[in-house]
Amino acid sequence: EDQVTQSPEALRLQEGESSSLNCSYTVSGLRGLFWYRQDPGKGPEFLFTLYSAGEEKEKERLKATLTKKESFLHITAPKPEDSATYLCAVRQGAQKLVFGQGTRLTINP
Amino acid sequence: DTAVSQTPKYLVTQMGNDKSIKCEQNLGHDTMYWYKQDSKKFLKIMFSYNNKELIINETVPNRFSPKSPDKAHLNLHINSLELGDSAVYFCASSEKGTGSGNTIYFGEGSWLTVV
Repeated sequence: EDQVTQSPEALRLQEGESSSLNCSYTVSGLRGLFWYRQDPGKGPEFLFTLYSAGEEKEKERLKATLTKKESFLHITAPKPEDSATYLCAVRQGAQKLVFGQGTRLTINP
Repeated sequence: DTAVSQTPKYLVTQMGNDKSIKCEQNLGHDTMYWYKQDSKKFLKIMFSYNNKELIINETVPNRFSPKSPDKAHLNLHINSLELGDSAVYFCASSEKGTGSGNTIYFGEGSWLTVV
């Protein structure tokens, strides 16, 4: 069965302190790995989709990378507004996403 | 304009009641979903509809019944509510499933509390 595990569960950083979030997955034939951001009281907001090992995508201070077993979300010089829960998901079948439990990121000013 | 909108945002109800959550998307998408997020923040798919046709029914109790009057709307009706149904329910949509280039867009969520 496809599985997605994210680590750490929670991460607290100082403003400007770069770090990475991990998403490990087991899936039979990856057909897309998705990153979402979720703010408290809101729905998940799409960030990136990665399809093949070696692929990278960037958006402002965020960069997502993909290997055959895991994906990383690198956060460079984060700001307090980057505080959120970051969710990783893999596509299973034609229409289903299997999500990890998320990493709750807090950036202190 | 809100792309995926769902109502109500908050719902507090007693055990045994029947309630509905409505969802509408104005993105012109063919596929709509209901996901449930539990207290541990895991998001799990419940149902998906493609152009009003049920595609995925993910071992959800029969008390949950989705209804899609047209491809822009997907409502969720819950009968005989139980304490364990308390969760956040998210409606979502995508062009056609989650195929290449298709992104799932989520609504703001409906917080259901059963007391």
